[in-house]
Amino acid sequence: GAVVSQHPSWVICKSGTSVKIECRSLDFQATTMFWYRQFPKQSLMLMATSNEGSKATYEQGVEKDKFLINHASLTLSTLTVTSAHPEDSSFYICSAERTPGNTIYFGEGSWLTVV
Amino acid sequence: SQQGEEDPQALSIQEGENATMNCSYKTSINNLQWYRQNSGRGLVHLILIRSNEREKHSGRLRVTLDTSKKSSSLLITASRAADTASYFCATAPRGAGNKLTFGGGTRVLVKP
Repeated sequence: GAVVSQHPSWVICKSGTSVKIECRSLDFQATTMFWYRQFPKQSLMLMATSNEGSKATYEQGVEKDKFLINHASLTLSTLTVTSAHPEDSSFYICSAERTPGNTIYFGEGSWLTVV
Repeated sequence: SQQGEEDPQALSIQEGENATMNCSYKTSINNLQWYRQNSGRGLVHLILIRSNEREKHSGRLRVTLDTSKKSSSLLITASRAADTASYFCATAPRGAGNKLTFGGGTRVLVKP
């Protein structure tokens, strides 16, 4: 079956630093990927839609300069949390939309803790 | 709000009992999906029901969809301890492709 890999699975970083999370489709191409954030005991909230070769589309209230998204290839999207603060601590999960066809597959998620 | 609503928020049952949870959403949809999430882990896709379908089965899972009421239900029959997890509905609004809107989730505890 199709696999979406996220790396790292968990990361701890200091306040003020930046951290990059990768979302990689291992055995299929994905023109579109989606990034979600989930705070403890809450639901998933869509942050942005990542489009290969073009700028990401951000949801209302999500700062595009703080959450940098790069989708430079058909198998990789990255989310960089810049100048991280403790309130950015969360579970970040991506999904990838298979091309052709449009089935989506979720990654295993990445835990970010900012101390 | 981006989210739909699910109820109950939490459910505690004995092994062997059935678990039912409901989801309501706000917009016209292409399909509705149910996912399971074990604590701290990624999502497991359970079932997808299209807007022109009213009921779908998969193993011990039964999903209904009522587009007139903008609601769906997930029934897990003969529950097992391994079914302990959070369950989320997610809708794909018309014209939004796979940009999913998730419900608030139901935390299910199945006691052995």
